[in-house]
Amino acid sequence: KNQVEQSPQSLIILEGKNCTLQCNYTVSPFSNLRWYKQDTGRGPVSLTIMTFSENTKSNGRYTATLDADTKQSSLHITASQLSDSASYICVVEGQAGTALIFGKGTTLSVSS
Amino acid sequence: NAGVTQTPKFRILKIGQSMTLQCTQDMNHNYMYWYRQDPGMGLKLIYYSVGAGITDKGEVPNGYNVSRSTTEDFPLRLELAAPSQTSVYFCAAAQGRYEQYFGPGTRLTVT
Repeated sequence: KNQVEQSPQSLIILEGKNCTLQCNYTVSPFSNLRWYKQDTGRGPVSLTIMTFSENTKSNGRYTATLDADTKQSSLHITASQLSDSASYICVVEGQAGTALIFGKGTTLSVSS
Repeated sequence: NAGVTQTPKFRILKIGQSMTLQCTQDMNHNYMYWYRQDPGMGLKLIYYSVGAGITDKGEVPNGYNVSRSTTEDFPLRLELAAPSQTSVYFCAAAQGRYEQYFGPGTRLTVT
């Protein structure tokens, strides 16, 4: 069964610290992997999109990595800010044109 | 440029009632999608459209209907609302198959 699992479920860090969120997937064949940020009460916003040939992609303080062999991805957030408090969702597209498979998300809380 | 807008923001329905969730985009994107997000769960695709006049079912289409008469609008119709349809509904638009732009969501409660 195609699944996307994220860990941890929730995370609390101090402002200024770094953190890494994990995503494991069993989707096969694999087309691309996306990370979204979802603020409370808002729609998801795209952070990165990586195809199977890409190992890393950055968007400001967000850096996503992908290992298509082990079917793992991570999202690293550098020098966290209060505004980083949100849910981070890993999304995988299998065969081109099939439905996206969404993870349940990791809820990140950044405190001062 | 508002992107994707959804109305209403909140709605409470009684069991058996019907309603239409509105979605409009001003980006001239061909692809549009409807998702539902249940508490603690990942988003699930309800219906999608690759262009005006073309719609197709997603993973969880039962109890819903859609239409796409224009590029801009993609309304979602709920017939005979049931408590299982209590959820947050997101509409999204995309130019290609990649980046999807989401609306702010509609929170629906069926009691």
